Amino acid sequence: DTEVTQTPKHLVMGMTNKKSLKCEQHMGHRAMYWYKQKAKKPPELMFVYSYEKLSINESVPSRFSPECPNSSLLNLHLHALQPEDSALYLCASSQLGTSATDTQYFGPGTRLTVL
Amino acid sequence: AQSVTQPDIHITVSEGASLELRCNYSYGATPYLFWYVQSPGQGLQLLLKYFSGDTLVQGIKGFEAEFKRSQSSFNLRKPSVHWSDAAEYFCAVGPNQGGKLIFGQGTELSVKP
Repeated sequence: DTEVTQTPKHLVMGMTNKKSLKCEQHMGHRAMYWYKQKAKKPPELMFVYSYEKLSINESVPSRFSPECPNSSLLNLHLHALQPEDSALYLCASSQLGTSATDTQYFGPGTRLTVL
Repeated sequence: AQSVTQPDIHITVSEGASLELRCNYSYGATPYLFWYVQSPGQGLQLLLKYFSGDTLVQGIKGFEAEFKRSQSSFNLRKPSVHWSDAAEYFCAVGPNQGGKLIFGQGTELSVKP
């Protein structure tokens, strides 16, 4: 089974709100990823966690705060977002995160709208 | 620098016709190549991948891709397209340096009855 789940499916928030996105996988993968995707564009990598440690931060603004409580769970905490942050947020996982032959499996995404 | 080019932004094919989506890559070392498909509002689904060995790779949903090192290409093919194949298709190379996939800009496939 190559399933990555994400909740919620849709989220609408104001610029002063605090919300969180959740991602879960039960494939025993040790790497998890957050991507942001705007319409008609490829996904852009935001963060990578490998063995529950943050290994890549692609210079993402601090209003996005990732958290990896355990190897199966990945959160993205949102605070004081801007309307331009509206996008599809995708989570992915892979077995190791450091191997060149690693394969990333994606979740269905959370559609975020910032008003 | 590593890069992936999908020359066709949008392709329309008739249902039942054959399909070829082009992907060209620039990568210094041995490339590891992927094709993903994304239906509207959905996540990315892995169609197939190439790491080594046989240069013709079979994937899910009747898709195949051929790796041609001399042309730096990894084109995706399907002999007979179904209306449900209408989606965005992304070619990617990598990962490198701990997990970064390099995506192409995507090709949107429309299928006409």
